Parts: sequence; C-alpha cells; structure tokens
Amino acid sequence: QKEVEQNSGPLSVPEGAIASLNCTYSDRGSQSFFWYRQYSGKSPELIMFIYSNGDKEDGRFTAQLNKASQYVSLLIRDSQPSDSATYLCAVNVRTYKYIFGTGTRLKVLA
Amino acid sequence: DVKVTQSSRYLVKRTGEKVFLECVQDMDHENMFWYRQDPGLGLRLIYFSYDVKMKEKGDIPEGYSVSREKKERFSLILESASTNQTSMYLCASSFAGSMNTEAFFGQGTRLTVV
Repeated sequence: QKEVEQNSGPLSVPEGAIASLNCTYSDRGSQSFFWYRQYSGKSPELIMFIYSNGDKEDGRFTAQLNKASQYVSLLIRDSQPSDSATYLCAVNVRTYKYIFGTGTRLKVLA
Repeated sequence: DVKVTQSSRYLVKRTGEKVFLECVQDMDHENMFWYRQDPGLGLRLIYFSYDVKMKEKGDIPEGYSVSREKKERFSLILESASTNQTSMYLCASSFAGSMNTEAFFGQGTRLTVV
C-alpha cells in the first residue's frame, strides 16, 4: 500500500462545477496535510493545509480532513479553466518528512 | 516574498559527467530537501538536511550526494551522471519548528543526461 494515494485522473469537470479531489494516507501518526497545485512544467505551490478534523475554507477552496478514516479531500467550487493542473496531496509525518501522492490531474472544460 | 532559487531551469549533461545542482533559500529555514519528479512516480525524496553539515538519505539516494556548508544553500551532486537520472529536480525548504508548516519549492531544474 502506498503511503499517500491519489487517483491519477484525469478528472474532467465543466467550468463552474465543483471539483472534488481525494487522498488517503496510511500513517496514523500523520499530523498535517497539504494540497499543492502544479502546472505543467512548473513547481508545486501550496493551496491549503489542514491539521484538524473537519473543514477549512479559503475562497473557492475547501479542505476536508477525517483522521479516523485517514482521508483528506479538496473541493474547488466554481471551477475555472485556470484551475486545470495536477493537484498533489502531501502528508507531514515528522517535521522533516513530507510524503507526497502522485497527484490527480484536473481538467476544467470551458 | 519567500524564495527558493535553483541555479538552472534546464541542464543538458553527458553520461559520466559530474553534475552540481544548487539551491538557495532566503527564509532562514532549517530543513532543505532534494526531490526528483518523474511521470507516474510522483515526488521522490533523494536527500534532506535539517542543519548545516547534517544530511540524511531519502528514499532514492543511490548515485547522488549532497552538501550543506551554509544554512541557506543545499547542493545536489550527481557523481557520474547516467541517462536514468534524466528528470525534474526540485529543491524545497521548510521551517523545523512546527509540523504545521509547508515545504516551499524552487522553480525546478529539468536535467537531461545524454
């Protein structure tokens, strides 16, 4: 079992719809969870982080964490073509150890 | 504005060459990391450093070494480049004082070994 798992996609959604990206992790000691966006040929940039169970909202983005189910998700409301990118889920298991998923490719169709 | 800067965006090297990839951060971060990213394999940790002159192997250290002589600078060395080291290399840094802190990435170096 991979330590952090994501569906590779592509996930295709129409413009204006909600995109739902999911991630599961195996280490129950994981404490912090991050969503990065990566455009083709570019480096990852942080969108959100979450470390408490429940929801955290930032503009059009909502991160959801369920530690009992070892599940973290990212919702993107009112999806735009500019949201088309690969989304990486990352888990921090120690202060110097980040585990990344392989990413989900999102395509927002105009 | 926080910055992690990698010395080159694109590099082409010959098999057997010694290759140096340089990374500098201006955030006074203790932790620095080198990853490589390949399609379908995601980000894989090569080495990390949590302090000056300190280094730890990551998941795929074979064929690589690192150097951290100053806090702001972390270098990745390919001792004898091979074609299977063709990849995107990403440097990152983070603050060591909390687990609720993200890793900041440089712009990446796309290395091609021919």
